[in-house]
Amino acid sequence: GAVVSQHPSWVICKSGTSVKIECRSLDFQATTMFWYRQFPKQSLMLMATSNEGSKATYEQGVEKDKFLINHASLTLSTLTVTSAHPEDSSFYICSARAPQGPDTQYFGPGTRLTVL
Amino acid sequence: EDKVVQSPLSLVVHEGDTVTLNCSYEVTNFRSLLWYKQEKKAPTFLFMLTSSGIEKKSGRLSSILDKKELFSILNITATQTGDSAVYLCAAHQLIFGTGTRLQVFP
Repeated sequence: GAVVSQHPSWVICKSGTSVKIECRSLDFQATTMFWYRQFPKQSLMLMATSNEGSKATYEQGVEKDKFLINHASLTLSTLTVTSAHPEDSSFYICSARAPQGPDTQYFGPGTRLTVL
Repeated sequence: EDKVVQSPLSLVVHEGDTVTLNCSYEVTNFRSLLWYKQEKKAPTFLFMLTSSGIEKKSGRLSSILDKKELFSILNITATQTGDSAVYLCAAHQLIFGTGTRLQVFP
């Protein structure tokens, strides 16, 4: 089945630094990828939709200058958390729209970000 | 405002029990409803429902959609400890419910 990977799995960084998270579709081309954020014991909150070759579409309330998304190829999207602060600590999950239909997605394993 | 609401929030049962998880939605231009199982990490896809009244089944799990009453249910029969997880439903617009945490004890 289709596989989506994320790197890194877990990152701890100091406040004020930037962190890049990669999301790759390993055996299929993903023209659309999604980035979610999940706080403990809460549901997934869509942050942005990433389209290959064009600018990402951000959900209301998500700062585009803080969460930079780049979808430079059909298999890679990156999320950069700039000038991270402790309140950015969260579980970030990406997903890729599945080839067989617009409503199904394959999720990556997630990246846990801890900002000290 | 579009929303997806799940109930109950949490459920604790013994192995062998049958559980029913609920998901109601209010979304514009509804197209499909999806169920996912989330264990420790990323959600895994269970079902996608687009038509009312047609049950989808996979082993001990089944799900059905009611587009008139705007809800869906996920049934798990003969639960096992491996079914313990958070079950999420989502409207196709990527609006997720808060999830139902299911714990199955031996």
